[in-house]
Amino acid sequence: GEDVEQSLFLSVREGDSSVINCTYTDSSSTYLYWYKQEPGAGLQLLTYIFSNMDMKQDQRLTVLLNKKDKHLSLRIADTQTGDSAIYFCAESMVSGNQFYFGTGTSLTVIP
Amino acid sequence: DTGVSQNPRHKITKRGQNVTFRCDPISEHNRLYWYRQTLGQGPEFLTYFQNEAQLEKSRLLSDRFSAERPKGSFSTLEIQRTEQGDSAMYLCASSRQGGYNEQFFGPGTRLTVL
Repeated sequence: GEDVEQSLFLSVREGDSSVINCTYTDSSSTYLYWYKQEPGAGLQLLTYIFSNMDMKQDQRLTVLLNKKDKHLSLRIADTQTGDSAIYFCAESMVSGNQFYFGTGTSLTVIP
Repeated sequence: DTGVSQNPRHKITKRGQNVTFRCDPISEHNRLYWYRQTLGQGPEFLTYFQNEAQLEKSRLLSDRFSAERPKGSFSTLEIQRTEQGDSAMYLCASSRQGGYNEQFFGPGTRLTVL
C-alpha cells in the first residue's frame, strides 16, 4: 500500500478536459481518494470512490477505477484556471489506520 | 468549528534542538493523523491515533519522533535532536470513525532545521 504513483505534470487549455492518472499497488485498499492542494493551502478532499465501484461522477469530476490494473483516474471537465493545483490520489486500508498518498500531479491550466 | 488547526505555522531551529508541534483536530473527530510532506512529494503517513490510543506508526518514524494525544483531543508531535533531513511540512488531519474516512487537513507546520 505504499507505492502510489502519479505523473508529475499536466498542462491543459482552459475549457478542455483534464485526466489525471494514478496507479497503486495494494489490492486491499478500501477507499481511494482525490485531494487538491493549492499553493499555501491545506489539502482538500475533492472526491472519493469505494473499491467496489467502477465509476463515480460528481459535477465536473469523474473518477474511474480499474481494480484489475490498480489504476485510478480523475477527469475534470471544462477545466478552469482555478483548477490549477497539485492533485494527489490516496488510498486507505479497511481499518482506516493507514493512508497512502501519491506523489502528486501538478495541473497547469493555460488561459 | 473552524477546522483543524496547527501551531506553530513555521518553526526554524538549529540542528540538535528539540521541537514540538501541536494539532487541534475538529472537535467531534476521534481519529487523528500526522504526516510529513517534503517538496515535490505527497504526504507521508507518520502515525495515527484513535481517541487517545496510538494505533499505528510508520517505520519511517525514527526513535527521535514521538507523538501523544493524552486526552483524545489535541495531539503533539515532538522531534528530538533535530537533523537537517527533518526539514519538511508536518501535516495533521482528523476524521470521524466510519463512513469513507474523509480526512480534514490542517494548514501544516513548516519546519526548517539549520
